[in-house]
Amino acid sequence: EDQVTQSPEALRLQEGESSSLNCSYTVSGLRGLFWYRQDPGKGPEFLFTLYSAGEEKEKERLKATLTKKESFLHITAPKPEDSATYLCAVQARYYGGSQGNLIFGKGTKLSVKP
Amino acid sequence: EAGVTQFPSHSVIEKGQTVTLRCDPISGHDNLYWYRRVMGKEIKFLLHFVKESKQDESGMPNNRFLAERTGGTYSTLKVQPAELEDSGVYFCASSQGRPQNLKSYEQYFGPGTRLTVT
Repeated sequence: EDQVTQSPEALRLQEGESSSLNCSYTVSGLRGLFWYRQDPGKGPEFLFTLYSAGEEKEKERLKATLTKKESFLHITAPKPEDSATYLCAVQARYYGGSQGNLIFGKGTKLSVKP
Repeated sequence: EAGVTQFPSHSVIEKGQTVTLRCDPISGHDNLYWYRRVMGKEIKFLLHFVKESKQDESGMPNNRFLAERTGGTYSTLKVQPAELEDSGVYFCASSQGRPQNLKSYEQYFGPGTRLTVT
């Protein structure tokens, strides 16, 4: 069964204290791994897509990496405005050339204190 | 470019009543998805449209849920009759749908509709 597990469930950091969030996945065939940011009362906001092991993407203080079993979201020198829930999702190669649904983890709630 | 919009943002109904949720995808996006987050759980897939056709409805919980996408533009999700366990946040997402373009796999989400069944 395809599955996504995120850890930790919650993470508290001081401003400037770098850390990483983990996303472990099992999927029959990976088409893509997605990272989203979600603020309270809002929908998930797209951050990155990673398609193959070894791939890395960066956006401001965030850097996402991918291996064959997991992905990391590294946060360098975080600021209070980085506080949010970070969601990881995978899309499997079920549908040939068509596009399938995302399978989500429960998310990591990040709090950054000034 | 306007994002995915959903209406209403909140709905409170009594058990047994009917509710219809609406989603307007990003213009030009052929793929439209419905997801749901029940309290304490992860976001889960409900169904997927490609234009006006249902590509996959394997996540629909039961036949009290009916989704339509007439004309391949906006979509509605009707719950009839609503039960207590239907409470949650319903998200809609859309993507372009051009397999030769990797960016077309990116799904963009709306703000969600919070449904409370009492």
